[in-house]
Amino acid sequence: TQLLEQSPQFLSIQEGENLTVYCNSSSVFSSLQWYRQEPGEGPVLLVTVVTGGEVKKLKRLTFQFGDARKDSSLHITAAQPGDTGLYLCAGDMKTSYDKVIFGPGTSLSVIP
Amino acid sequence: KAGVTQTPRYLIKTRGQQVTLSCSPISGHRSVSWYQQTPGQGLQFLFEYFSETQRNKGNFPGRFSGRQFSNSRSEMNVSTLELGDSALYLCASSFTGGIRTEAFFGQGTRLTVV
Repeated sequence: TQLLEQSPQFLSIQEGENLTVYCNSSSVFSSLQWYRQEPGEGPVLLVTVVTGGEVKKLKRLTFQFGDARKDSSLHITAAQPGDTGLYLCAGDMKTSYDKVIFGPGTSLSVIP
Repeated sequence: KAGVTQTPRYLIKTRGQQVTLSCSPISGHRSVSWYQQTPGQGLQFLFEYFSETQRNKGNFPGRFSGRQFSNSRSEMNVSTLELGDSALYLCASSFTGGIRTEAFFGQGTRLTVV
């Protein structure tokens, strides 16, 4: 059972289109991270959201943390081929120790 | 501050051999996690070490093992390699205990078993 679900699993769009990917869980997270991974490389941290309802922008990327801190979305405006990659969300759970849980990822392909 | 360093970047081994991969975390990070990633797949969690102790383990056979040294550097070992072990192995280090815990990844080791 996945603690973190991501949708869609795959996404192929034309350059210039907008898109949103989602990260959902029934668990509450202390914080949530989004990563982008290019083929053959390690994931790179894009952003961390901490407060329920928080919105962060990184150029054409907008990240939002749900009010209940159980879900998040990533919106890309005017997608470019350089946005192609695997987008992973990860939640920080405060159990007996800090534990980071990764979602299965959304594979995005932006066609020129 | 130097990032997470994994060595080697690429490795080719024969079925039945064993392999050891190395990970040097970011200075000050005491948690090191290992993941396996096959083409087109997400991250499959192998195990996590904190202060030289394994505190979390994924669902992998006993052929996969790891350890962490007092300087937080970590190694993972795979014995009796199988063709299906071919994958990108990623290491991530974290500074835990704060408001948020973020994982920082190395570039990975691409293991090919022939």
